[in-house]
Amino acid sequence: SQQGEEDPQALSIQEGENATMNCSYKTSINNLQWYRQNSGRGLVHLILIRSNEREKHSGRLRVTLDTSKKSSSLLITASRAADTASYFCATDKAAGNKLTFGGGTRVLVKP
Amino acid sequence: DVKVTQSSRYLVKRTGEKVFLECVQDMDHENMFWYRQDPGLGLRLIYFSYDVKMKEKGDIPEGYSVSREKKERFSLILESASTNQTSMYLCASSTKTSGGRELFFGEGSRLTVL
Repeated sequence: SQQGEEDPQALSIQEGENATMNCSYKTSINNLQWYRQNSGRGLVHLILIRSNEREKHSGRLRVTLDTSKKSSSLLITASRAADTASYFCATDKAAGNKLTFGGGTRVLVKP
Repeated sequence: DVKVTQSSRYLVKRTGEKVFLECVQDMDHENMFWYRQDPGLGLRLIYFSYDVKMKEKGDIPEGYSVSREKKERFSLILESASTNQTSMYLCASSTKTSGGRELFFGEGSRLTVL
C-alpha cells in the first residue's frame, strides 16, 4: 500500500490564486519530499523537508510538516498556468532508504 | 546539467516478448531505481540498486528482473511481457547520502503490451 496519500486528488484554480495540497503518511519518516510531473514527463524534485523541520520555503513554494499528525502540505502561491501539473509527495522512512510515493494531486491552473 | 536518459519513450510489444528498458545517468550516482506509474496508484518501486552488480527488490518485483553491470547503467527486463505490464516506467538515480537525497528522473518509457 502507498505510504503517502495526497488530498485532494484534483484541484482547479484561477491564475494568481494559491493552491494547497496535503499529504498523509502512515509510518515514521526520515524526510518527506515533493515532486512535480508535467503531463507525460518524468518527475522533478521540488523540495525536501526533514523530520526535525516544521516549515520550508522555496520561491513560491511553502511546505509544512507535522510529524505528530503524520501529514505535510504544499502551498503554491500566486499560481501560474505553468504550474499545471501533478504533484506527488514521497516519504523516506526512518528505518529504510527507499522513497515511497503517493497517488498525486492533479493541479489545473486556468489562465 | 544532470541527466537520466531512458532509451525509449514509447514501446509496443506483444505478449510473451522479452523487453529491455535501458537507463543511463551521467551524474556518477550510486543509487538507481525503477518505478512503474499507473493512474491512481502513483509510483511503485520495482527494483533498486545501490552499487554495481547489486540489486534489491522493491514493492512489486514479480515479472521483472534488473541488471547493473556498470555504474551508469541500470536495465529493467521483462522476461515474458504480459498485458498487465502495460504502464509508464520511470528510472531514477540519486547519490548515496545518509541524510536523505532527491531523486533525478528520466522522461519515462511508456510500454504497451498487446
